[in-house]
Amino acid sequence: DQQVKQNSPSLSVQEGRISILNCDYTNSMFDYFLWYKKYPAEGPTFLISISSIKDKNEDGRFTVFLNKSAKHLSLHIVPSQPGDSAVYFCAASDAAGNKLTFGGGTRVLVKP
Amino acid sequence: GAVVSQHPSWVICKSGTSVKIECRSLDFQATTMFWYRQFPKQSLMLMATSNEGSKATYEQGVEKDKFLINHASLTLSTLTVTSAHPEDSSFYICSAISYTSGRVGTQYFGPGTRLTVL
Repeated sequence: DQQVKQNSPSLSVQEGRISILNCDYTNSMFDYFLWYKKYPAEGPTFLISISSIKDKNEDGRFTVFLNKSAKHLSLHIVPSQPGDSAVYFCAASDAAGNKLTFGGGTRVLVKP
Repeated sequence: GAVVSQHPSWVICKSGTSVKIECRSLDFQATTMFWYRQFPKQSLMLMATSNEGSKATYEQGVEKDKFLINHASLTLSTLTVTSAHPEDSSFYICSAISYTSGRVGTQYFGPGTRLTVL
């Protein structure tokens, strides 16, 4: 029972364009959502988070959108850079500071 | 800020031996840490929640007698894989909750430990 799903296993985008990563969840108790970036053989790096009281949070090139009624969130990266090539995981918890449930990840390749 | 370290970064051991992995929060105190494992091309799976000064909470299907967790201080949690077998070979990652910089309870991850059991 996958409570957090990232339906696109991979994404290829041209440098300078926008990368849009999607994430869906099923558990209505989830209240806090995060995006992490991960390189092989390394731990995930925190990118951005959003709580359910918001529908948008922006930090530099990264913007997360939350549609609570649709149980859907997305991460926008603009402009995309070659260094953004990595696997991106969305994660959810029922409250900030509680255990996370991760999606399966989306591998992003930014082409120069 | 919010740096988490793990030691060792990789370890190879013989089947039947025990391996201890350390997770430290370097610039903040963490009453709660988490242990995950990741198999190749798969997502992170939570193994257990480590609480300072109390017993760890294990996820369903994780053997608590095999994966011993000790959270003896506010900056250190250890995971001991007892009587390791080849199927325990995996990438183990810890995380710690930080409340610094105004962020509400964000998990920061260590760099991971690659365990190979021969």
